[in-house]
Amino acid sequence: QQQVKQSPQSLIVQKGGISIINCAYENTAFDYFPWYQQFPGKGPALLIAIRPDVSEKKEGRFTISFNKSAKQFSLHIMDSQPGDSATYFCAASMGSGTYKYIFGTGTRLKVLA
Amino acid sequence: DAGITQSPRYKITETGRQVTLMCHQTWSHSYMFWYRQDLGHGLRLIYYSAAADITDKGEVPDGYVVSRSKTENFPLTLESATRSQTSVYFCASSESDNQPQHFGDGTRLSIL
Repeated sequence: QQQVKQSPQSLIVQKGGISIINCAYENTAFDYFPWYQQFPGKGPALLIAIRPDVSEKKEGRFTISFNKSAKQFSLHIMDSQPGDSATYFCAASMGSGTYKYIFGTGTRLKVLA
Repeated sequence: DAGITQSPRYKITETGRQVTLMCHQTWSHSYMFWYRQDLGHGLRLIYYSAAADITDKGEVPDGYVVSRSKTENFPLTLESATRSQTSVYFCASSESDNQPQHFGDGTRLSIL
């Protein structure tokens, strides 16, 4: 119940295309869902996050779609660029007092020029 | 520069040795975390701390020890290193619970 399942494991997209990464969870107590971007040799960096009171959040080319009933959330990268090539992690955490993140296993994205 | 700094960046040691990974943050964040990153497992929480002198176990604490005598430092010690502890270790901090965690650039640890 504590798992966050992420797919696909790897993704290749043409420049200008849409990259879509999906995550699913079981624990309905999760109430914060961040996405992290990680470049080789660097730590994960927060990209965008959502709480379950909204179904979508957009920041520039990055959009999180959230489906509470299906217990799924996804990251969409519009107009994907070679500079977006990185590993992406979804995560989930519960409310106050339980600030532990449960991470997905990561998606390695490669955007072809 | 403000931020979170891990040292060393790379470490090679032998089984049975004690090794300490350092983490220092300049934000005065209350919460600090240690994760290990392994292929196919993503990031798994080892230990976390809500404040100085308050620590608790995460998902994979066995073989690790932490301390937090000062808010800004959160060292992780492997008391007797094993090959299974070869990994990339990340430290993170956050201002308060359920707030974004900010990560350091990691320590790549190899145990021979």
